[in-house]
Amino acid sequence: GAVVSQHPSWVICKSGTSVKIECRSLDFQATTMFWYRQFPKQSLMLMATSNEGSKATYEQGVEKDKFLINHASLTLSTLTVTSAHPEDSSFYICSARDAGSDTEAFFGQGTRLTVV
Amino acid sequence: AQSVSQHNHHVILSEAASLELGCNYSYGGTVNLFWYVQYPGQHLQLLLKYFSGDPLVKGIKGFEAEFIKSKFSFNLRKPSVQWSDTAEYFCAVRKTGTASKLTFGTGTRLQVTL
Repeated sequence: GAVVSQHPSWVICKSGTSVKIECRSLDFQATTMFWYRQFPKQSLMLMATSNEGSKATYEQGVEKDKFLINHASLTLSTLTVTSAHPEDSSFYICSARDAGSDTEAFFGQGTRLTVV
Repeated sequence: AQSVSQHNHHVILSEAASLELGCNYSYGGTVNLFWYVQYPGQHLQLLLKYFSGDPLVKGIKGFEAEFIKSKFSFNLRKPSVQWSDTAEYFCAVRKTGTASKLTFGTGTRLQVTL
């Protein structure tokens, strides 16, 4: 299947700093990427839908100014957690779908963020 | 809005036992259905999917699922589980269409004992 790569796999940052997470589709183009958050032993909660060349669509309750999403190209979307706080510590997962193809989404390996 | 229910939160089975994990969704339109597996410390992997056609879908590692439209269900089955099947299993649904988002169930943790 297609490959989606997330970087970094884990990151520890100080409270108040910002962290950027990258999501790349390695062998296909993705007009749409999705960002999820997964708390321990819980399901994936969709945070936002990232569309190449336009603004992301955020789910209800997700602060767009805190979780900045940029989808500048067909193979890269970034999620920046601004002014991170310990409660932002979580597992962040991206997924991407092949542009124009009604197939399943492929998932990145996730990024474990710990804010201290 | 669509939602997905997985009724079994934690299942413990002995090796060689049969498995059935329930998944029900609420959406009246045409949907695509998925089962994903997340092994400890690893990313989500697709087990199987249903888009159209035969409602009995076969996936990897001996898993299968049956789409019953009248029951809004997409239960996952495996005749004989192995210790290596220990993982978290997620059912997911999306409306048909290239940009529609996936809605995940809460997940079922499967523990297979030797």
